[in-house]
Amino acid sequence: EVQLVESGGGSVQPGGSLRLSCAASGFIFSNFGMSWVRQLPGGGLQWVSGIPSRGGDTYHADFAKGRFTISRDNTNSMLYLQMTSLRAEDTALYYCAKEITSRGTPVLDLWGQGSLVTVSS
Amino acid sequence: EVVLAQSPGTLSLSPGERATLSCRASQSLRNNYLVWYQQKPGQAPRLLIYDTSNRATGVPDRFSGSGSGSDFTLTISRLEPEDFAIYYCQQYDKTPTTFGQGTKVDIK
Repeated sequence: EVQLVESGGGSVQPGGSLRLSCAASGFIFSNFGMSWVRQLPGGGLQWVSGIPSRGGDTYHADFAKGRFTISRDNTNSMLYLQMTSLRAEDTALYYCAKEITSRGTPVLDLWGQGSLVTVSS
Repeated sequence: EVVLAQSPGTLSLSPGERATLSCRASQSLRNNYLVWYQQKPGQAPRLLIYDTSNRATGVPDRFSGSGSGSDFTLTISRLEPEDFAIYYCQQYDKTPTTFGQGTKVDIK
């Protein structure tokens, strides 16, 4: 079955860290760029980070630069998002999503079910 | 960054009716890199249309996209019960990619 399954979300205090993971199956993971997109409590969608099929250059939204790191393990078909210095405004449902091309084009044709991150004291 | 304004906020229609959703960009999208997604409650977004008018795999032909520059439209020719959902547009013409705030299509 073609799917993405996120894990690693949870509750954390401001300033804390979390690492999200995304397990891909049913397609050739190493052929596609991947992204993280978050959905805020009010419903809005925000692109967070992207990585092309072979890794290398990565891309982050301004709010994520310096705090979040996207990475991938093509051998094990895994995508990661390391988040540090978390803030209350980072509270969201974080989706892992597959791009339709290899090169970091954020047209997203497969999404996971999401991993909830809550930042609160 | 490019701000996408979707209108209307809510569209109340009956099954069988035509739905016209608008997405207006704060800057011209020279390459027309405009995408539409559908999201139902409790589900992740689903890709419908990319590059303004290309339907994604498996998307029924009652969904169509059009537009250029700053003004883009998603049209659902005849609403089916499963089409009542929230629709988001996204641009990736300029970095960073951004999403509109969504249009909810609900049953009248």
